[in-house]
Amino acid sequence: NAGVTQTPKFQVLKTGQSMTLQCAQDMNHEYMSWYRQDPGMGLRLIHYSVGAGITDQGEVPNGYNVSRSTTEDFPLRLLSAAPSQTSVYFCASRQQGFEADTQYFGPGTRLTVL
Amino acid sequence: ILNVEQSPQSLHVQEGDSTNFTCSFPSSNFYALHWYRWETAKSPEALFVMTLNGDEKKKGRISATLNTKEGYSYLYIKGSQPEDSATYLCACSGYSTLTFGKGTMLLVSP
Repeated sequence: NAGVTQTPKFQVLKTGQSMTLQCAQDMNHEYMSWYRQDPGMGLRLIHYSVGAGITDQGEVPNGYNVSRSTTEDFPLRLLSAAPSQTSVYFCASRQQGFEADTQYFGPGTRLTVL
Repeated sequence: ILNVEQSPQSLHVQEGDSTNFTCSFPSSNFYALHWYRWETAKSPEALFVMTLNGDEKKKGRISATLNTKEGYSYLYIKGSQPEDSATYLCACSGYSTLTFGKGTMLLVSP
């Protein structure tokens, strides 16, 4: 199993550009989520999905869109990049939305918006 | 959004020292408490998931305890080694979401 994979690993955007961060998992996990990590802020939840076709907002959803058309994939779209979106983005998955399930993280995407 | 606090923010110990960190969380509507180890330039790696009051888990030199009635968990590292240097995160499960604390950064000097 590859686990949770993310592409790209690094990306530089100009303000106003759009892009999609890809996330895939091969563990047949129902629950997937996106976090951003900023210095001094810890990991903050952007969006999550409890299954294909179902998504919901986390703590910091503004400026981001998600969709979940398959169990395996959970892309994160930046609609119009802003410097405040410079961050490291982590995708994560777990078996279901059960609270005691272990959550597995991808390797992260480091995004810089100029 | 749950309020999850970790202390201390950072810790610098010598090789061989034993150390511990604290994670505080709301005791009402508790579901589960997760501990992660996060090395620089890597992704967080799960250490423990605990659900029951009084739970104690152990993995090598690392152990954790849980008190759901008062809303805290301790992570202990016995005989710290330089390879233990990392940020240790705790996270509290809410309904369908996981809320993370800001972490305790541990540096172990040889």
